[in-house]
Amino acid sequence: TQLLEQSPQFLSIQEGENLTVYCNSSSVFSSLQWYRQEPGEGPVLLVTVVTGGEVKKLKRLTFQFGDARKDSSLHITAAQPGDTGLYLCAGAGSSGYALNFGKGTSLLVTP
Amino acid sequence: NAGVTQTPKFQVLKTGQSMTLQCAQDMNHEYMSWYRQDPGMGLRLIHYSVGAGITDQGEVPNGYNVSRSTTEDFPLRLLSAAPSQTSVYFCASSNGWDLTLGYEQYFGPGTRLTVT
Repeated sequence: TQLLEQSPQFLSIQEGENLTVYCNSSSVFSSLQWYRQEPGEGPVLLVTVVTGGEVKKLKRLTFQFGDARKDSSLHITAAQPGDTGLYLCAGAGSSGYALNFGKGTSLLVTP
Repeated sequence: NAGVTQTPKFQVLKTGQSMTLQCAQDMNHEYMSWYRQDPGMGLRLIHYSVGAGITDQGEVPNGYNVSRSTTEDFPLRLLSAAPSQTSVYFCASSNGWDLTLGYEQYFGPGTRLTVT
């Protein structure tokens, strides 16, 4: 199993602050995905990064894939209460379809 | 378009009982998978299928069986429930590899299972 380590595990911030969540591994991934999950629901895909060094932006969210395709980060600018949720990274390894998930970062944004 | 549906939403079993968690998708996706989510453990892959008639084991397959007789359905069977199988179970489907989206997976709403 290719392990994905996410940090921090928990994050509580005020509205308007910036934050970065990290997803690290010693393994190379063919692609890496970020999901957000709200209580009582399934994860929802935010973005997929495929190319080493790739940066993708989704409104106030910026995702980066490391050059070696072993790590990724999610940066949120000016966090809002609606950003509250569990953020999960998942990597697709050499076997293809099977995804390995990190344990998640639980984010709470208070007004 | 319902996407991925799962039934039941909640289930309580006694140790040793068997049951089947249902999963269906209406997007004509070839790829389907089952995950379990436990507190502090993230999502762990149980079994997956890359097409009708083809299944494979994931990270935590013991105690679970799957079959894929149709593209739409991918049921997960618990043969003899154990308290360690208390978890939230998610089914997901994907249309396969996309150059920019990777294996974009769509998740169902989950089944909360308690084994006493």
